[in-house]
Amino acid sequence: EAGVTQSPTHLIKTRGQQATLRCSPISGHTSVYWYQQALGLGLQFLLWYDEGEERNRGNFPPRFSGRQFPNYSSELNVNALELEDSALYLCASSSLTASYSNQPQHFGDGTRLSIL
Amino acid sequence: GNSVTQMEGPVTLSEEAFLTINCTYTATGYPSLFWYVQYPGEGLQLLLKATKADDKGSNKGFEATYRKETTSFHLEKGSVQVSDSAVYFCALIPQGGSEKLVFGKGTKLTVNP
Repeated sequence: EAGVTQSPTHLIKTRGQQATLRCSPISGHTSVYWYQQALGLGLQFLLWYDEGEERNRGNFPPRFSGRQFPNYSSELNVNALELEDSALYLCASSSLTASYSNQPQHFGDGTRLSIL
Repeated sequence: GNSVTQMEGPVTLSEEAFLTINCTYTATGYPSLFWYVQYPGEGLQLLLKATKADDKGSNKGFEATYRKETTSFHLEKGSVQVSDSAVYFCALIPQGGSEKLVFGKGTKLTVNP
């Protein structure tokens, strides 16, 4: 079974540009989560999508946004990039049902975003 | 609010030593508890989990028991190997359907031959 896949592996941008990160969940998983792992800040929850809808959002500004497609893959978009956006962005997926939440999330290897 | 506190690292051990990484949490109700491991240059891998009090999660020789009375989920392994060198994260998902993982800051483990 293929795991969570993320692309690109590395992304280099300059301040003010826009970045798009992509994630394909494990087959059969309908929920996708995005986390930011920045140096010194640990792992921070960004966004949760399930069945195409945004279900929860962490404490990040609106320039962090995303979407989930009908095939459950997801994009994370970061506009007006700032130096402090440099981080490893991790995507995770899980299989939830209405009566069976809190399931383990399975992570991809991440996209390392570097802002110059 | 919900939070996870785990012991500061780094931790350096010799091969075959006993490992304990302490983790305590703050959350209302009964969160689900997890340990994740991150090897150099990789994403997170689920190591083990426990979803209710007194549950013991185990995998690859690692164990952790969900202790509601002490709000703890300490990770243990009886005999570590060089290949166990990694960063270990304790995490919870709060009860109630928010589905967001709340992580501790991570503990870096180095095992020397």
